[in-house]
Amino acid sequence: GENVEQHPSTLSVQEGDSAVIKCTYSDSASNYFPWYKQELGKGPQLIIDIRSNVGEKKDQRIAVTLNKTAKHFSLHITETQPEDSAVYFCAAPPSGTSYGKLTFGQGTILTVHP
Amino acid sequence: EPEVTQTPSHQVTQMGQEVILRCVPISNHLYFYWYRQILGQKVEFLVSFYNNEISEKSEIFDDQFSVERPDGSNFTLKIRSTKLEDSAMYFCASSPEAYSNEQFFGPGTRLTVL
Repeated sequence: GENVEQHPSTLSVQEGDSAVIKCTYSDSASNYFPWYKQELGKGPQLIIDIRSNVGEKKDQRIAVTLNKTAKHFSLHITETQPEDSAVYFCAAPPSGTSYGKLTFGQGTILTVHP
Repeated sequence: EPEVTQTPSHQVTQMGQEVILRCVPISNHLYFYWYRQILGQKVEFLVSFYNNEISEKSEIFDDQFSVERPDGSNFTLKIRSTKLEDSAMYFCASSPEAYSNEQFFGPGTRLTVL
């Protein structure tokens, strides 16, 4: 099955700095890589995703990059703001999964200091 | 904006009791999921459901668990005889199609087994 490893487990930055979270995956046939943000007491919220046919995707201050050869993908947040503070999870579906099962990384607690 | 809703937000039960966790997926979605998150750990897949039957389940989803879509809007997770280790956040998610893998999560139900 798919194994997803996420680093770092905690990340502390100053407001305005950039934050980068990295994930590696094991199943080379995986083709979809979402990132979720989880705020305290809430469910995971999809913030950005990327498919295996592209190397980078941006949405305002958030970007995701994918390196299929190395089997890793990263979340980049620029100009961080205190409201970006949350737990971020990467995920990937195992190959052979037809119905959308996701395997999640361990999560990164991001703290943005004003 | 449409969202997944879950009730109750918090359920406390005695070990051995049955609990039913309820979810209302986004109305035009066809694929439904349950995940759980033990405190401080990663989100884990439990089961996926499509066309009124289970399409995939994890090793966690043993005989004490069952899912049902009793009507056109609700999606339930039943735990027949709860154990202490079932204490966790349970998240329902839905997706318009499996191959897009874009899953939208509800706010979760915190289950506490005493």
